[in-house]
Amino acid sequence: QQPVQSPQAVILREGEDAVINCSSSKALYSVHWYRQKHGEAPVFLMILLKGGEQKGHEKISASFNEKKQQSSLYLTASQLSYSGTYFCGTELGTGNQFYFGTGTSLTVIP
Amino acid sequence: DTGVSQDPRHKITKRGQNVTFRCDPISEHNRLYWYRQTLGQGPEFLTYFQNEAQLEKSRLLSDRFSAERPKGSFSTLEIQRTEQGDSAMYLCASSPQITGELFFGEGSRLTVL
Repeated sequence: QQPVQSPQAVILREGEDAVINCSSSKALYSVHWYRQKHGEAPVFLMILLKGGEQKGHEKISASFNEKKQQSSLYLTASQLSYSGTYFCGTELGTGNQFYFGTGTSLTVIP
Repeated sequence: DTGVSQDPRHKITKRGQNVTFRCDPISEHNRLYWYRQTLGQGPEFLTYFQNEAQLEKSRLLSDRFSAERPKGSFSTLEIQRTEQGDSAMYLCASSPQITGELFFGEGSRLTVL
């Protein structure tokens, strides 16, 4: 039931854009996105509830296609601070357990 | 500080010993999760509480793992007869009922020798 993320790793130069995908084999109620820096706990980025909405703040946004059971995270004009491992998290319904995806390592270089 | 706190932050033990980790969630949060994370992997679900009720437990867990959340406040995760494969970071997260956002603690790193 673990969602699958792609790509597994990506290296960007500052200012470049990236897309990280999250795919589930089961119907989803919500999708979360988290970023984890080395040696630290995951930090919440955003949550999307079923309804196909797109959310975002500043240069990081995400979409949720409930029919395809997929979500994508969009990072535009990347900054060095964006480096880390990105995880999607999926919930099958309210009150259900919460699964994290396989992770995508993102490295932004000057 | 009103964040999620975990104790101890680091634990080194010998194989076969029992260990217990404690998590103090954000006070108004109803949900509490335990995850295990090894290097390069995503957090792996262990168990989940809604207030004091343990609603789900991963089938990946053997009977050596047990968790409690008495009175719906702090939670403990106990690992009995530790094995080297138990070496990992154990993460606790809490969540308010409405938004679902998970707030993580700093984790408890277990090393089994």
